[in-house]
Amino acid sequence: SQQGEEDPQALSIQEGENATMNCSYKTSINNLQWYRQNSGRGLVHLILIRSNEREKHSGRLRVTLDTSKKSSSLLITASRAADTASYFCATERAGGTSYGKLTFGQGTILTVHP
Amino acid sequence: NAGVTQTPKFQVLKTGQSMTLQCAQDMNHEYMSWYRQDPGMGLRLIHYSVGAGITDQGEVPNGYNVSRSTTEDFPLRLLSAAPSQTSVYFCASSPAGQGARVAFFGQGTRLTVV
Repeated sequence: SQQGEEDPQALSIQEGENATMNCSYKTSINNLQWYRQNSGRGLVHLILIRSNEREKHSGRLRVTLDTSKKSSSLLITASRAADTASYFCATERAGGTSYGKLTFGQGTILTVHP
Repeated sequence: NAGVTQTPKFQVLKTGQSMTLQCAQDMNHEYMSWYRQDPGMGLRLIHYSVGAGITDQGEVPNGYNVSRSTTEDFPLRLLSAAPSQTSVYFCASSPAGQGARVAFFGQGTRLTVV
């Protein structure tokens, strides 16, 4: 079964606006990662946050993690048309036997209108 | 830098046929995985490997076999194709260890079983 649930399933905004996507998961984790997928392409890693971290920034991306609520959010600030893509959260479950195994959410389709 | 290379990019099979999806990585990563992506389902783990000679099942392993004879290659074999295996297949690799185990994905193989 899917570890993560993401919402919204689809998000449509104007260029320059901020986009926020949320992810919930079910089990304890080593880390949570966000990936981006352009239509018909492979996934590209955006940012990773470890279970002992609460917030992380990378350029226009901000990720938060609340392990007590088993949830994370991805904020893209000042969005651009080129940010149009599907965004997935993925978790690596806690424990050494889960190293390298990711469980993905269903994704959020982001459309940024010029 | 090639990264993760998957072949073929597209394939049509008849029910009952067998085939092998190829995956190769040139980053000397220990971990390799196969995922399938179905509409509205996100990615689901089929099989993974933590090193040459070591493989294990993921969430949806039935109907698929893998082997890992070298660090670089991780082929996925469909034993007897079924329409339910129509999907997009992604191979990924990631480094081992205590650091950030970020996954690098290939461009995918779009498989249709008729």
